Amino acid sequence: DTEVTQTPKHLVMGMTNKKSLKCEQHMGHRAMYWYKQKAKKPPELMFVYSYEKLSINESVPSRFSPECPNSSLLNLHLHALQPEDSALYLCASSTGLTNEQFFGPGTRLTVL
Amino acid sequence: QQQVKQSPQSLIVQKGGISIINCAYENTAFDYFPWYQQFPGKGPALLIAIRPDVSEKKEGRFTISFNKSAKQFSLHIMDSQPGDSATYFCAASIDQTGANNLFFGTGTRLTVIP
Repeated sequence: DTEVTQTPKHLVMGMTNKKSLKCEQHMGHRAMYWYKQKAKKPPELMFVYSYEKLSINESVPSRFSPECPNSSLLNLHLHALQPEDSALYLCASSTGLTNEQFFGPGTRLTVL
Repeated sequence: QQQVKQSPQSLIVQKGGISIINCAYENTAFDYFPWYQQFPGKGPALLIAIRPDVSEKKEGRFTISFNKSAKQFSLHIMDSQPGDSATYFCAASIDQTGANNLFFGTGTRLTVIP
């Protein structure tokens, strides 16, 4: 298995909702990343887990809460989001030995 | 501060032509330079990457040229095809054990006209 999967593909939520994004990889990678991408912009790093420990948090608002239950799984919990949080949320993984990152297809999030 | 500068912002090429996208960086500690291809609504796909111990790397129709002294690298797409129409991002990072930032360029939207 050489891919990163993300669910759901699309998510529409209200500003008071709580939802979660899920990312999974079975390549034995030990580093996993969450990125946010707005239209016509490059991906922006949000969080990085290395060997299941949060190693980078790019000053992301607390309404985004990451979780890494095990080495194959990464979640992003969402609560009280704002309309400006609407974006494509991308998960990526790398071996942890090099920075060769492989991206999933993304979750298109719309906040109403 | 933009760690990686990318140009042009958009590019239109005739089918069969050569597409060239350029990137420049400032941090001399960077030692890993990938290119990603992204189609609308999809995640970026790793296309080709280079490390500074070589000046050129070729994979099929895609070639990276790397100039360490000028701190520049470029992507050449030979015999461009309409299916190559996508947004291309260059990136740079320090390639070391652990999890490391990928610093992306601003992207180039390539359109290949049949």
